[in-house]
Amino acid sequence: AQSVTQLGSHVSVSEGALVLLRCNYSSSVPPYLFWYVQYPNQGLQLLLKYTSAATLVKGINGFEAEFKKSETSFHLTKPSAHMSDAAEYFCAVSDKTSYDKVIFGPGTSLSVIP
Amino acid sequence: DARVTQTPRHKVTEMGQEVTMRCQPILGHNTVFWYRQTMMQGLELLAYFRNRAPLDDSGMPKDRFSAEMPDATLATLKIQPSEPRDSAVYFCASGSQQGAYGEQYFGPGTRLTVT
Repeated sequence: AQSVTQLGSHVSVSEGALVLLRCNYSSSVPPYLFWYVQYPNQGLQLLLKYTSAATLVKGINGFEAEFKKSETSFHLTKPSAHMSDAAEYFCAVSDKTSYDKVIFGPGTSLSVIP
Repeated sequence: DARVTQTPRHKVTEMGQEVTMRCQPILGHNTVFWYRQTMMQGLELLAYFRNRAPLDDSGMPKDRFSAEMPDATLATLKIQPSEPRDSAVYFCASGSQQGAYGEQYFGPGTRLTVT
């Protein structure tokens, strides 16, 4: 069975500082991995996805994530936080055999301090 | 700009009343998902459809919830009778099987308050 864990339900960073949101997954088959962002009072929006091509994936708004099979991780980073990055971030996993059934992590709330 | 639309955006109702939420998936998408989001439980999958056929509704309280897809452009989630514990934001999402990796596109949600 697949699962996703996100370390830290709340993360605070200063404006301009590095953003690092952690995600670890469990999957018995090669996974597809996603990061979604949810701004207040909105639905989830796809930020980026890993589909077994390049291990470093670039997404929208300057975010990127690196797939590390040995660590079963897919951490999300951004070099310099902006106030507009404050949101809830969800890591998610699916796979080739059950791609419809995306498993979402519990989410990490990112606060950006001016 | 293709988007998932949901109506109503907000709904306040009294306990015992029927609630119907509607979703229009992105044209051409053949999978539709219903989620419920609360502070306590986070994001929960209630049901999902592929090509209008229900594939999994194990997350849905069967006695009061029902989900249908009358046609490819409309998905509905009904609660009858509603209870205060049903207060949550309900999201619809759609996806495509073409070149599929599982990404889903979410609507703006219906915020339901049951008093």
